[in-house]
Amino acid sequence: QKEVEQNSGPLSVPEGAIASLNCTYSDRGSQSFFWYRQYSGKSPELIMFIYSNGDKEDGRFTAQLNKASQYVSLLIRDSQPSDSATYLCAVNPVYGGSQGNLIFGKGTKLSVKP
Amino acid sequence: DTGVSQDPRHKITKRGQNVTFRCDPISEHNRLYWYRQTLGQGPEFLTYFQNEAQLEKSRLLSDRFSAERPKGSFSTLEIQRTEQGDSAMYLCASSLLAPGGETQYFGPGTRLLVL
Repeated sequence: QKEVEQNSGPLSVPEGAIASLNCTYSDRGSQSFFWYRQYSGKSPELIMFIYSNGDKEDGRFTAQLNKASQYVSLLIRDSQPSDSATYLCAVNPVYGGSQGNLIFGKGTKLSVKP
Repeated sequence: DTGVSQDPRHKITKRGQNVTFRCDPISEHNRLYWYRQTLGQGPEFLTYFQNEAQLEKSRLLSDRFSAERPKGSFSTLEIQRTEQGDSAMYLCASSLLAPGGETQYFGPGTRLLVL
């Protein structure tokens, strides 16, 4: 059973702080990793993807991947109240292969306090 | 640039009725996915198509569920003899499979309530 684990939270941070969201996955063969943001009652919105070990930065967001530890994280710098949402970690077991479905964690609820 | 669209956005039905949902992917995307999401959970994969071929179905997809993508464009998901446990958000996503990989973009979802 391939699993993706996230702390459900809620994670509460003050405005302007760094929010750190973590995710672990069970399938060592997993190749591509995604972070989605989901506002209450809405559908998931892609924030970032990462394929290689290390850091990937996009604006205020940084994704970090450590395949040896089977760990992926998302850092949000200068957190804003508008970042308050549930953040979903998703894993695709095969890079560009025939099995394209994503395996999602349950999500971490982030609350940014003004 | 239009994103993934789904219709209807909300559906209320009585137990035992059949329902059908439609998904229109981003026009150049060759892959289309269906997921189901219940409260407090992440989306769970149901099935996916590459062009018109249905390549994989989850064990979650019971015999009451059927999906089609007849011309490799829009897709439909039908649930026959609905049960209260089918109440969920049904999400469609599309992607373009390319040498560099693929990223899936979600539609707004269809929220189903079975009474």
